[in-house]
Amino acid sequence: QKEVEQDPGPLSVPEGAIVSLNCTYSNSAFQYFMWYRQYSRKGPELLMYTYSSGNKEDGRFTAQVDKSSKYISLFIRDSQPSDSATYLCAGGTSYGKLTFGQGTILTVHP
Amino acid sequence: IAGITQAPTSQILAAGRRMTLRCTQDMRHNAMYWYRQDLGLGLRLIHYSNTAGTTGKGEVPDGYSVSRANTDDFPLTLASAVPSQTSVYFCASSGGDGRNEQFFGPGTRLTVL
Repeated sequence: QKEVEQDPGPLSVPEGAIVSLNCTYSNSAFQYFMWYRQYSRKGPELLMYTYSSGNKEDGRFTAQVDKSSKYISLFIRDSQPSDSATYLCAGGTSYGKLTFGQGTILTVHP
Repeated sequence: IAGITQAPTSQILAAGRRMTLRCTQDMRHNAMYWYRQDLGLGLRLIHYSNTAGTTGKGEVPDGYSVSRANTDDFPLTLASAVPSQTSVYFCASSGGDGRNEQFFGPGTRLTVL
């Protein structure tokens, strides 16, 4: 079993929809979590960084962490075609190393 | 412009050849990382360095070596390339000392024939 499981999709939604991206993890040592966005043939770009259970909001993006159920989510409100990308979740330990999910491919169509 | 640069952008390499992928950051970050990204497998850590002069093995280190002579540079060497090392390679860095956000370079696309 992978330490971080992520549904690869692909996920296709109409413009303006609310998108929910989810990951589960098994490593209880994870102390913080990140979401990255990766456009085709580009490097991953950090979107959200959360350190504890709860919600963190940044513009149209909300990251949610539930450590009791080992579940992390990213919500995108009012999705735009420019949000079309692969979204990667990751968990990190106190040693600074990240473990990534395999990524979810999202397409937002006009 | 602050960030991470990687070279080359892409490379086709014959099996058995030696290859060094270069990574340079100008953010004065203590920690640096090398990942490979393969379809269906996501990003996997190859090697890392928490500070200049130290290195460590990640999840998939076999066939790769790294060095960290200074803060800015973290080259990845394939001593004798094999086709299974065909992948996209990403270098990343983080501040260290509790600053955990990792920032990624643009990647090197390597094909070993």
